[in-house]
Amino acid sequence: AQSVTQLGSHVSVSEGALVLLRCNYSSSVPPYLFWYVQYPNQGLQLLLKYTSAATLVKGINDFEAEFKKSETSFHLTKPSAHMSDAAEYFCAVSDPSLTGGFKTIFGAGTRLFVKA
Amino acid sequence: SAVISQKPSRDICQRGTSLTIQCQVDSQVTMMFWYRQQPGQSLTLIATANQGSEATYESGFVIDKFPISRPNLTFSTLTVSNMSPEDSSIYLCSVGRTDGGELFFGEGSRLTVL
Repeated sequence: AQSVTQLGSHVSVSEGALVLLRCNYSSSVPPYLFWYVQYPNQGLQLLLKYTSAATLVKGINDFEAEFKKSETSFHLTKPSAHMSDAAEYFCAVSDPSLTGGFKTIFGAGTRLFVKA
Repeated sequence: SAVISQKPSRDICQRGTSLTIQCQVDSQVTMMFWYRQQPGQSLTLIATANQGSEATYESGFVIDKFPISRPNLTFSTLTVSNMSPEDSSIYLCSVGRTDGGELFFGEGSRLTVL
C-alpha cells in the first residue's frame, strides 16, 4: 500500500524567505509523486510532478521538488515566498503500474502562511 | 488539461435528505474520481467511476450511501444519501491524465448538513 506523510500541518514564512514543505512517501514500486495547491474555495491544481525522469522537478510559480529515493522524500521548495503563495499544499502519490493507475493517495496537507 | 464543472457549488441540506452532485468534463475521459474533503482535512477517495460499469468504492464507502452514475464519457453524478451532519464536506470530482498520471479537479461542491 502507498502512503504519504507531510511533516507540519502549518508552515509560516516571511515574504521573500525560502519555502520548504516536507513530504515523505511509502511505496513498494517506483511511484509517481505530485504536489498540488489549493487556494481558498477552489479545487486543487497541479504544481509539479515526478514520473521517473529527472529527479529535480520544476513546476509553476518557481516551485521545485527533488525526488530522493534513498530518503523516500519529495520536498517542495521555493526560493522566495510571495504573499500569493499562501494556500494549502498537498503531496500525493500514485502507482503507475496499477490498471487505471491514477488512483492517488493524498497527504494531510500543509497550510502555508506568508507574513508581510 | 481538462475543464471540469460541478453543480451545485454549495448547498445547505437538511438531515435525512439526499443530494445529487453533477460533474461535467469538457472532453471524453475513461475514468472519473470522486473525492471527499472534510473540513480542514485532506482528500479521501470515495470511488472510481468508469463508463459502462459499476463504480468501484474504496474501503469505508458504500454504494447505498454514495450511489454514482456514469452514463457517458463526459458526465457523472454522485448522490449523498440520507445525509447527516457528518456528511458536511467538500465533494470533488476529478479526472486523470493518461500519460502523466496527474489529476484535474473541479472546484468542488461544498455541502453543509444541518
